[in-house]
Amino acid sequence: QVQLQESGPGLVQPSETLSLTCAVSGGSISDYYWNWIRQPPGKGPEWIGYIHYSGSTNYSPSLKSRVSMSLDTSKNQFSLRLTSVTAADTAVYYCARGTSLGLWGQGTLVTVSS
Amino acid sequence: QTVVTQEPSLTVSPGGTVTLTCASSTGAVTSGYYPNWFQQKPGQAPRALIYSTTNRHSWTPARFSGSLLGGKAALTLSGVQPEDEAAYYCLLYDSGSYVFGPGTKVTVV
Repeated sequence: QVQLQESGPGLVQPSETLSLTCAVSGGSISDYYWNWIRQPPGKGPEWIGYIHYSGSTNYSPSLKSRVSMSLDTSKNQFSLRLTSVTAADTAVYYCARGTSLGLWGQGTLVTVSS
Repeated sequence: QTVVTQEPSLTVSPGGTVTLTCASSTGAVTSGYYPNWFQQKPGQAPRALIYSTTNRHSWTPARFSGSLLGGKAALTLSGVQPEDEAAYYCLLYDSGSYVFGPGTKVTVV
């Protein structure tokens, strides 16, 4: 059974770069689109973007200037980088599989604060 | 960017039926928006229910059904159970990106 697990620092300083990894277990990353979504406390989810196993990417227009995603097939994981973070980037960050976002990780809370 | 709207809250009795809708600021929602629906309970990650308008995931109970209704995407819960109390989010694909709706809080009383 395929599982996704997000990992990364829980606290990031303002103006710094947020970096998260999503490890895929029980299945290969060499297929599907792989998404990042975030959800600020008390608000709805926001799609950040996806990376295809081929390496092609698609980012939300509102975050495009600050986002990059990469994929490591040897480690069966993919990553998110978000630059120049502010308090508005505080959220639970999720990774999810496929164009239907059918499978989600449990999420990881990232707080932006000094 | 597209703005998606949903009813903020709905109340339904156990065993009853409730329909949630999902509208787009760009016009009528069609199958080309590939509407998806998610359920989220407090403290949990969202769980996918419906994809591409009408398709249930293998784990989705049959009482959840998706459709297009009056230019909107719709999620109907039939024979509502107490455990269906949750927030429900729609997701639309428009102009190359995905947009979530603000969610509908369904209360079962």
